[in-house]
Amino acid sequence: GAVVSQHPSRVICKSGTSVKIECRSLDFQATTMFWYRQFPKQSLMLMATSNEGSKATYEQGVEKDKFLINHASLTLSTLTVTSAHPEDSSFYICSASRGFDSPLHFGNGTRLTVT
Amino acid sequence: AQTVTQSQPEMSVQEAETVTLSCTYDTSESDYYLFWYKQPPSRQMILVIRQEAYKQQNATENRFSVNFQKAAKSFSLKISDSQLGDAAMYFCACFSGYALNFGKGTSLLVTP
Repeated sequence: GAVVSQHPSRVICKSGTSVKIECRSLDFQATTMFWYRQFPKQSLMLMATSNEGSKATYEQGVEKDKFLINHASLTLSTLTVTSAHPEDSSFYICSASRGFDSPLHFGNGTRLTVT
Repeated sequence: AQTVTQSQPEMSVQEAETVTLSCTYDTSESDYYLFWYKQPPSRQMILVIRQEAYKQQNATENRFSVNFQKAAKSFSLKISDSQLGDAAMYFCACFSGYALNFGKGTSLLVTP
């Protein structure tokens, strides 16, 4: 079946540095990818919707300059957390879809810890 | 704005019994899909069941079935013959093509 690969699964970085998270659709072309953030024991919060070849659509309250999303190809979207702070520590997860009437597939998530 | 509401933060069921998880949603879109996802401690999101809004027939997947009431914007999940492995967080979600929004989740505990 379709698989979405998210890398890295865990990352620890120092305050002030940037970290990039990749989301790849392995056997299908993803026209749309979604990025979520999940705090412990809470639901997934949609951060942004990424469409190939166009700018990402960010949800209200999500800082565009801090969470840079690039969807350069139909199989790859990246989320870059810039100038990371400890409060950015969280679980980030992506999902991808061929299109509206196709199933959504999730990556396994990335645990980000900022020290 | 699209919203999904799960009013049960926690539910408990005995093994082999049946439990129903509630979900209501609100969307202005005429075309949408509804999902139930399971998230075990590994944090992986596992699709449990999917319902197309244009279909009146309730989706079923083995022990999992939904009660989809479109007019009431209600989408509950019934788990029959509960198993210990069903213990997890369950999230209801609505996908309109523009966004996939989740409810706050229901933690399901299965007791022997």
